Amino acid sequence: AQTVTQSQPEMSVQEAETVTLSCTYDTSESDYYLFWYKQPPSRQMILVIRQEAYKQQNATENRFSVNFQKAAKSFSLKISDSQLGDAAMYFCAYNLEYGNKLVFGAGTILRVKS
Amino acid sequence: EAGVAQSPRYKIIEKRQSVAFWCNPISGHATLYWYQQILGQGPKLLIQFQNNGVVDDSQLPKDRFSAERLKGVDSTLKIQPAKLEDSAVYLCASSFRDRSTDTQYFGPGTRLTVL
Repeated sequence: AQTVTQSQPEMSVQEAETVTLSCTYDTSESDYYLFWYKQPPSRQMILVIRQEAYKQQNATENRFSVNFQKAAKSFSLKISDSQLGDAAMYFCAYNLEYGNKLVFGAGTILRVKS
Repeated sequence: EAGVAQSPRYKIIEKRQSVAFWCNPISGHATLYWYQQILGQGPKLLIQFQNNGVVDDSQLPKDRFSAERLKGVDSTLKIQPAKLEDSAVYLCASSFRDRSTDTQYFGPGTRLTVL
């Protein structure tokens, strides 16, 4: 079965500090894509960052970066210089090379304290 | 560029009633998805369309749920009759094609409450 596990139901971070959200996944495929989506209270899912499994280099998008460990099937998200607008539910997800069906984890609520 | 549109944003119904949700994808996007997001869980794919054809409906409870995308553009998801466990947010998403390199863009969702 293809699963995504986010072991942290909730995390808190002080404004301007750094926080890391954890994600592990299970798949027997070798080619796949990993994603972090952000869902604020408005419910609009927004793509934060994407990682192709065949790329060894970790993806970076401004203050957001990932630590992708393919052998360990781990895909964590680091948010640097946290801002109040980063407060949201964060979902880890992956899909296979073909079909584009996203499989999501249960999510991590991120609270940002001022 | 307009995003994915969904309506209504909220719906409250009694169990055993029927309900329909509407989605208009981003213009030019061939692939359309309906996800169900139960409170405290991640979204789960219900059905995926490629143009007006169904690609994957393996997780759709076909005894009560139906969906169509007749002209390959907008789509309707229907529940009849609704059960208490159908209370959830229903998210529509679209992508240019069905390749993994194609980003899925999500709509704001419809929150359904079944009493």
